[in-house]
Amino acid sequence: AQKVTQAQTEISVVEKEDVTLDCVYETRDTTYYLFWYKQPPSGELVFLIRRNSFDEQNEISGRYSWNFQKSTSSFNFTITASQVVDSAVYFCALSENFGNEKLTFGTGTRLTIIP
Amino acid sequence: DTGVSQNPRHKITKRGQNVTFRCDPISEHNRLYWYRQTLGQGPEFLTYFQNEAQLEKSRLLSDRFSAERPKGSFSTLEIQRTEQGDSAMYLCASSLGGGTDSQAFFGQGTRLTVV
Repeated sequence: AQKVTQAQTEISVVEKEDVTLDCVYETRDTTYYLFWYKQPPSGELVFLIRRNSFDEQNEISGRYSWNFQKSTSSFNFTITASQVVDSAVYFCALSENFGNEKLTFGTGTRLTIIP
Repeated sequence: DTGVSQNPRHKITKRGQNVTFRCDPISEHNRLYWYRQTLGQGPEFLTYFQNEAQLEKSRLLSDRFSAERPKGSFSTLEIQRTEQGDSAMYLCASSLGGGTDSQAFFGQGTRLTVV
């Protein structure tokens, strides 16, 4: 069975600080996808990134960066120079299928950026 | 195109009543998914459709739950004889294909409260 663990329930940082959200996953498959979604107060899940299990290169997109380490089954997400608009609940998710039709989500990390 | 649309956004019902939710996916998206999210938890997969065919159902989807996608476009999720434990956010998502570049787009959800 697959499982995603986000041990940090809530994090608060002061604006402009960097923050890292942790994600640890479990799967028996060798082929899988990892995702991060953002859920603002409006409730809609916003896609941030998808990474397949064969690509361990770290990725940077603006202030966002992701660190994928297969050896530790982790897929951590860092926001640099945080902004108030980054306040939301962030979910890490795993799909063992080719695509994303069946996602297993973690319990989420609520991030609050203090002005 | 305005994204995945879900109606109603909120529903309050008395225990024992039946409720039906509607999801309109992004045009031409052939895959449609239903998830349930309870307070403080990540979304949990319920079921998904490819066109009009329901390809997989989670064991979370008890006999009181039924989902349809009659013409491969919009979908409905019905809950019969609602229970207080059914109170949750019901999220719908759609995607095109399911290949390596596929991405699920989520709606804003229907929040169900059973009193």
